[in-house]
Amino acid sequence: DIQLTQSPSFLSASVGDRVSITCRASQGISRYLAWYQQKLGKAPNLLIYAASTLQSGVPSRFSGSGSGTEFTLTISSLQPEDFATYYCQQLNTYPPAFGQGTKVEI
Amino acid sequence: EVQLVESGGGLVQPGGSLRLSCAASGFTFSRNSMNWVRQAPGKGLEWVSYISSSSSTIYYADSVKGRFTISRDNAKNSLYLQMNNLRDEDTAVYYCAREGSGSYAYFDDWGQGTLVTVSP
Repeated sequence: DIQLTQSPSFLSASVGDRVSITCRASQGISRYLAWYQQKLGKAPNLLIYAASTLQSGVPSRFSGSGSGTEFTLTISSLQPEDFATYYCQQLNTYPPAFGQGTKVEI
Repeated sequence: EVQLVESGGGLVQPGGSLRLSCAASGFTFSRNSMNWVRQAPGKGLEWVSYISSSSSTIYYADSVKGRFTISRDNAKNSLYLQMNNLRDEDTAVYYCAREGSGSYAYFDDWGQGTLVTVSP
């Protein structure tokens, strides 16, 4: 099975900061990677798929990059509503594993 | 608007059974593969099971294989998860998630979740 490792696990930031989260796959997954945002007590929300394609309705301050084994989610200017936990997910093969999550807090 | 509404969660003793349901609306249910994903309290997301649009392909996580059964009824726009021989570690919020129908897979819509608590 493919494993995903996110870094960092916790990220302390301020409004307006540029933040980046890395997701590393244990083997190559081409561009079969998605990013989700989850707020406390809510279901996950798809942000990016195919490594860099922004889901409809997601603000353009979110962007994704990478292919193969290393991927990055970047928030160009952190907004108050962006404080949440972020997960990557590989969908190259089943089981479609998630990373362990990155909590972005003030 | 896509809506996925889970139901059927609750408190059950170890070794017991539950059947979760997910009612879908706002899209042509029969065209999309579906998944169940769970989240234990304070923990991350764990994929549980997948079913293709026609039910011809099914996958399970190793942690639930042989105990859980995924199914769907396209005529009723519904997804199910039959959970047998439940264990303490199955305690979690269970989400149903729609798989997008593009070239690259992704889970583009999720239900609000239903809580399953396994406890004596």
